[in-house]
Amino acid sequence: GAVVSQHPSWVICKSGTSVKIECRSLDFQATTMFWYRQFPKQSLMLMATSNEGSKATYEQGVEKDKFLINHASLTLSTLTVTSAHPEDSSFYICSAILAGLILEETQYFGPGTRLLVL
Amino acid sequence: GNSVTQMEGPVTLSEEAFLTINCTYTATGYPSLFWYVQYPGEGLQLLLKATKADDKGSNKGFEATYRKETTSFHLEKGSVQVSDSAVYFCALSRSGAGSYQLTFGKGTKLSVIP
Repeated sequence: GAVVSQHPSWVICKSGTSVKIECRSLDFQATTMFWYRQFPKQSLMLMATSNEGSKATYEQGVEKDKFLINHASLTLSTLTVTSAHPEDSSFYICSAILAGLILEETQYFGPGTRLLVL
Repeated sequence: GNSVTQMEGPVTLSEEAFLTINCTYTATGYPSLFWYVQYPGEGLQLLLKATKADDKGSNKGFEATYRKETTSFHLEKGSVQVSDSAVYFCALSRSGAGSYQLTFGKGTKLSVIP
């Protein structure tokens, strides 16, 4: 089946540094990928929609200069948390849709990346 | 705006017990409804879905019926197994263009003991 990986699975960084999280579709091409964040005991909140070769579309309230998204190929999207602060500590999850099947509505999710900013 | 409310967990059941996880939603238009499952250490997987009122989604012994009159999509299974231990998320898609964007509930952790 369709597999999505994320790297790293967890990361600890100092306040003020930047952190890059990768999301890869391993056995399929994904024209569209999504980034979510999840706080403890809260639901997944959609941050942005990432389309290959174009700028990401951010949800209301998500700072695009803070959370930089790049979708340079059909199998890779990256999320960079710039100048991270403790309030950015969270669980970040990506998902992908099979290219050409956008109406299928099935998203394939990565296992998530836990970020802790000290 | 759209929202999904599902029962608080954690839920602990004995093997072969009956499972119900309640899910209600608020949405404009006619969203599709989903249940996703997350096994330990893995990403969310689509368990089942329903795209219109009165549709029943089913998979692996789990069922959920899209009830527009009660805005609900409760998940049920007649006899749970230890392997069903996971976190279950109810979700809906925004209707109309870009309907692939999902709104999730908080998740319900299920533990099944032998």
